[in-house]
Order: sequence, then structure tokens, then C-alpha cells
Amino acid sequence: NAGVTQTPKFQVLKTGQSMTLQCAQDMNHNSMYWYRQDPGMGLRLIYYSASEGTTDKGEVPNGYNVSRLNKREFSLRLESAAPSQTSVYFCASSYSRAGFTEAFFGQGTRLTVV
Amino acid sequence: AQKITQTQPGMFVQEKEAVTLDCTYDTSDQSYGLFWYKQPSSGEMIFLIYQGSYDEQNATEGRYSLNFQKARKSANLVISASQLGDSAMYFCAMREPRVGNNRKLIWGLGTSLAVNP
Repeated sequence: NAGVTQTPKFQVLKTGQSMTLQCAQDMNHNSMYWYRQDPGMGLRLIYYSASEGTTDKGEVPNGYNVSRLNKREFSLRLESAAPSQTSVYFCASSYSRAGFTEAFFGQGTRLTVV
Repeated sequence: AQKITQTQPGMFVQEKEAVTLDCTYDTSDQSYGLFWYKQPSSGEMIFLIYQGSYDEQNATEGRYSLNFQKARKSANLVISASQLGDSAMYFCAMREPRVGNNRKLIWGLGTSLAVNP
């Protein structure tokens, strides 16, 4: 019962470096999300994907790109990391059905940009 | 615009007592869903309980119950018989109306709960 798996769990980047956060879910969910969590700011949506082949911007998309590789996988890419992107990143997935959309979360990735 | 407000940044409760965490929401939609999540110090987000706007009864899941007052637009989480393991951040969230196939969640800023022995 893996659920939502994120890699890596921790990462330190230098300003200007790039990296991709990986996320995979094995629950056959159609919707996937990337959030960032910063102290005092709760969870903010970066990008989401309602279904395979579609992606949309959330509240804070600048500096990020995403790829919905298939139904299972949704990756988040930082092309040129900045200190402002230091945060904890969560991937989540949900199955959109009438009346209920519980989101399941990965363990999070703690990213530090120096 | 839809909004979630959690007015209690931090709460303390004695072990074995009940505690209520407040959540108010703002929406003009008739159909919506309200969620509570727990985030312990280890960082994972754990789903606790869900309430649909058309549900006539308050949701309950073990020691968790949701005090849903639709007219007041509040969805408070009640934890009965608090345990030390309940110490965590608690987030209230609301499901946005459906846009295509997607229903996004709107999040409050959270309440930090500390359970004292």
C-alpha cells in the first residue's frame, strides 16, 4: 500500500541549479497536485493536473514547470532554483467523484536553496 | 471568492479532555465539501474527516467529529479524549466547485494543538 510516493525526501540546491521532484501514486487517481508549505502560509497550490494529459496553474506557479507523464506520475521541475523556493513540497492525488474528493499526500520533500 | 479561516494559531488541552478547533468558511456555492487534516511533527498530511454540504448529520470518525453549522458557515473539529499523539498541526480545507474533472482544495493556515500530560 504505497499510496503517494515522493522523491527525494531532502534536497539542497545552489541558486541557479535545476532539479525535478518526482511523484507517483498507485491508487488510480485521476487528479494530482503539487503544493508548497511555508511557515505561516499554509498550503499553496503550485500546479495541478485534473487528468492525464492536462495541467493547470495554481496560486504560485512562477518558477516551476510540471509534467503529467502518465496517470501515475506527476513531476515538478525547478529550472533555476532561487532561495525563495526553499520550502516543503507536497504531492497529492485524489479521485474526483461526485460528493467526495479526499486528497492523499506524499511524505513531502524538504528543499533548501542556498 | 472561497476562503477558509482558522482563527486559533495555537491551542493547548489536557490529556483525556475534549478540544474544539475552529474553522469558518466563505462560499457562495451550495455544493461543497469540508475536510480536516492532521500534520504531526514528522510532516505527513493525514486525512481525518469529511463533511459534505448536503449531509444532514455531523460527520464522525472515531474520536473525531465535525460540528457543522451551515448557517454560520462553520465546520469545527472536535477531538474527544485527547491523547499525547494528537499534538500536531490541524488544517481545515474546502473543496472548490467542480471545474472540468477537477475539484481543488482551499486551505486554512492551520491550528497547532499541544496536548499536555
